[in-house]
Amino acid sequence: DGGITQSPKYLFRKEGQNVTLSCEQNLNHDAMYWYRQDPGQGLRLIYYSQIVNDFQKGDIAEGYSVSREKKESFPLTVTSAQKNPTAFYLCASSVSGGNQPQHFGDGTRLSIL
Amino acid sequence: GESVGLHLPTLSVQEGDNSIINCAYSNSASDYFIWYKQESGKGPQFIIDIRSNMDKRQGQRVTVLLNKTVKHLSLQIAATQPGDSAVYFCAEGGDYKLSFGAGTTVTVRA
Repeated sequence: DGGITQSPKYLFRKEGQNVTLSCEQNLNHDAMYWYRQDPGQGLRLIYYSQIVNDFQKGDIAEGYSVSREKKESFPLTVTSAQKNPTAFYLCASSVSGGNQPQHFGDGTRLSIL
Repeated sequence: GESVGLHLPTLSVQEGDNSIINCAYSNSASDYFIWYKQESGKGPQFIIDIRSNMDKRQGQRVTVLLNKTVKHLSLQIAATQPGDSAVYFCAEGGDYKLSFGAGTTVTVRA
């Protein structure tokens, strides 16, 4: 089936540790996105990429980093500089950037040990 | 602050009744609007979208209405079913980016 796969579903981070969240899509979409969702709140954009080898900061990029070396993959690293990383992280993709539906994965829940 | 918000954080609906979920937006330059449904522990699922050159769009059991004059968006669900219980988000778009509101939790009573 075509879709977006996020892994792992649950992730625990120790203080001072970097962790990487995986996002893979087989929809042949050009654009990919990372969002953070806190309890009872909407989604906030961390980073987005409209094409391979290019990405831009979203509204809350501090403490995060991304890469886009392949069209199918857009991993997110939560660095030790992110002081409040506990959240639900959602990856999305769309055919291209612009006004069209974004399709979401089922998220990774990150917690601090 | 958020540019998109929903009028009510929760909505309780009797099974079989119609549901109306409201959303206000503040950016008059937004030209694309979209509704998502999110079930617990899952990612948002696309329901329906509408562009600013339209004021109504219908899907299967759902209708989205856009009133640009008062910057208001609504989602109507016909004959609400238990499977419709979820959090519903509206989002507005312009260029590459979607801005999401905080969501409305819909609970369907049997």
